[in-house]
Amino acid sequence: RKEVEQDPGPFNVPEGATVAFNCTYSNSASQSFFWYRQDCRKEPKLLMSVYSSGNEDGRFTAQLNRASQYISLLIRDSKLSDSATYLCVVKPFRAGNMLTFGGGTRLMVKP
Amino acid sequence: DTAVSQTPKYLVTQMGNDKSIKCEQNLGHDTMYWYKQDSKKFLKIMFSYNNKELIINETVPNRFSPKSPDKAHLNLHINSLELGDSAVYFCASSPSAGTGFHGYTFGSGTRLTVV
Repeated sequence: RKEVEQDPGPFNVPEGATVAFNCTYSNSASQSFFWYRQDCRKEPKLLMSVYSSGNEDGRFTAQLNRASQYISLLIRDSKLSDSATYLCVVKPFRAGNMLTFGGGTRLMVKP
Repeated sequence: DTAVSQTPKYLVTQMGNDKSIKCEQNLGHDTMYWYKQDSKKFLKIMFSYNNKELIINETVPNRFSPKSPDKAHLNLHINSLELGDSAVYFCASSPSAGTGFHGYTFGSGTRLTVV
């Protein structure tokens, strides 16, 4: 079983739609959680950290359920520019700041 | 002013050759990493250095040798390149553990193609 699992998609949604991505992780001792965004042929960039209480950044809302080892990302009012691959990222409890990346979920927002 | 810079951006080379990729960060971070992203887009850790010392080596063939001359630089040398080494290699940096870790800053990647 992969340490971080995501549905690869693609998710094809119209502009203005709300879309949700899910992610599960296997290491119950994981400490920190993030969503990264990766555009085609570009480097991953931090979208937002995920906190236990849930957190929001504009149109983006992240949730963490430690009991179920589940992380989600909700995007409201999708824009064309949201088209990208969204990577679920977990920091396991081990030495150093090594991050474990999921395989990513591809989102395509269409006019 | 690029925070994490890698060179070269593209590298096409023949099997059996030896090549190097360079990485530099100007963020003052103590920790640097090499990740490999294969054709299926999975990002996998290869190495991590903290203040010039190797702290993570994730079962990478010994043809891959990282070198960190100082905490702002982490280079990757690859000997005897194989077809399976074709991938995008990303350098990244972050603060040390316990100093407000908020994820990595990645370089723009080096697309290596072995022919």
